Order: sequence, then C-alpha cells, then structure tokens
Amino acid sequence: QQPVQSPQAVILREGEDAVINCSSSKALYSVHWYRQKHGEAPVFLMILLKGGEQKGHEKISASFNEKKQQSSLYLTASQLSYSGTYFCGTKDFGNEKLTFGTGTRLTIIP
Amino acid sequence: DTGVSQDPRHKITKRGQNVTFRCDPISEHNRLYWYRQTLGQGPEFLTYFQNEAQLEKSRLLSDRFSAERPKGSFSTLEIQRTEQGDSAMYLCASSPEGWDSNQPQHFGDGTRLSIL
Repeated sequence: QQPVQSPQAVILREGEDAVINCSSSKALYSVHWYRQKHGEAPVFLMILLKGGEQKGHEKISASFNEKKQQSSLYLTASQLSYSGTYFCGTKDFGNEKLTFGTGTRLTIIP
Repeated sequence: DTGVSQDPRHKITKRGQNVTFRCDPISEHNRLYWYRQTLGQGPEFLTYFQNEAQLEKSRLLSDRFSAERPKGSFSTLEIQRTEQGDSAMYLCASSPEGWDSNQPQHFGDGTRLSIL
C-alpha cells in the first residue's frame, strides 16, 4: 500500500522551516527521500535504514520511527532551490522495489 | 560519472502502435528498475533487473509490456498495442548492489509517452 504524506502542499517564505511526514500502514525496512522538480527526474536525498536513525546535512535532515511506521523530513532555513515535490519511498525487507508516497509539493517564495 | 540515460525523451504515437524505450544505467550499476509516473503522482514500480535477470514484475505490467536487459547493461521497455492509459512518464533507475539494500536508486530524466 502507498505511504501517505502530509501535508499535501505547503508554501513557505525563504528562510522558514518545514516538516514533511511519511506514514505507512505496514512495517518498513527502509525509507528513501527524493525531491523532484517539474519535468525533471527525482533526485535522491537520503536513505534511513534503522529505526530511530537520523541522517542528513545541516539544513535537510530526516528521522525514521520504526514503531510508528513513519519518517519525517526536516528542511531548515529553506532556500528557493528547495522548491519541488518531495516523495518518500519505502522498501520491505528483501524487496528491491520502492513504493512511493503521495508526494508533498513545497513552494518557497522570496 | 555519467548519470542514467534514457532515449527518447519524448514519444508521441497513435493508439495501437508499438513503442520501445531504452535505458542506459550508470556504469557498473548491476540493478536496473523501471517505473511509471503519471501527472501529480509518485513513480509506480514496474519491474527490476539484477544483471540480465528480471527478478520482479509488478501486477501493473500487463502482457502488452515487456522488458529486457540482454547483456546486463542497457535495458529496453516495449509496449505493444498502446492504449490511452499508457500515456505517462516512464522512468528508469539504477543502483549498485549492496548487502543491506541501502543503495540509492538514481533516476534518469524519463521518456514521456503521449498516445493520440
């Protein structure tokens, strides 16, 4: 089943923070985050493999809560270049396919 | 290191025609994936190869769809007797093999298929 992302869309001013959530109805092995700009390929951001793991860079990070079967992506001090649609992709153990979430459209305005 | 390359970028065809798309993965990536994406939706998994072996196929992949990766390098996706509902972006991705399945999948720019 497809993971559900929230919010569906968000508009921020440059410099504001955002949190994007990804929830699954079943146990997850890993969560992969991507950003896709209009007309372009999805671009890989990060993978979270272990429960509770947090990964990322200074301004884009993510967490993975196995028990809650959810992951969150944190964007700090957003920049114009962060605009796009963010997708989480989930994997089951021993399965190579990614099941992508419903997507969150992020718009950053100056 | 060149990325995943897909050809053509755009394909317009009449309903009922056959189409074939090509994907060249990142060099030495032995895993190759095909996904389909419609407007406003996330990519949907179609099929996956490890080297030349097709290891998984989605139920979305009807018998009109066939994919090959004959020498474990490039792959082709063929759609026979195209239908209106086949209109979508077809994305290819590749990844290296990893022991714990934590390798990222890197996507190409896709082939946009429009059925008239």
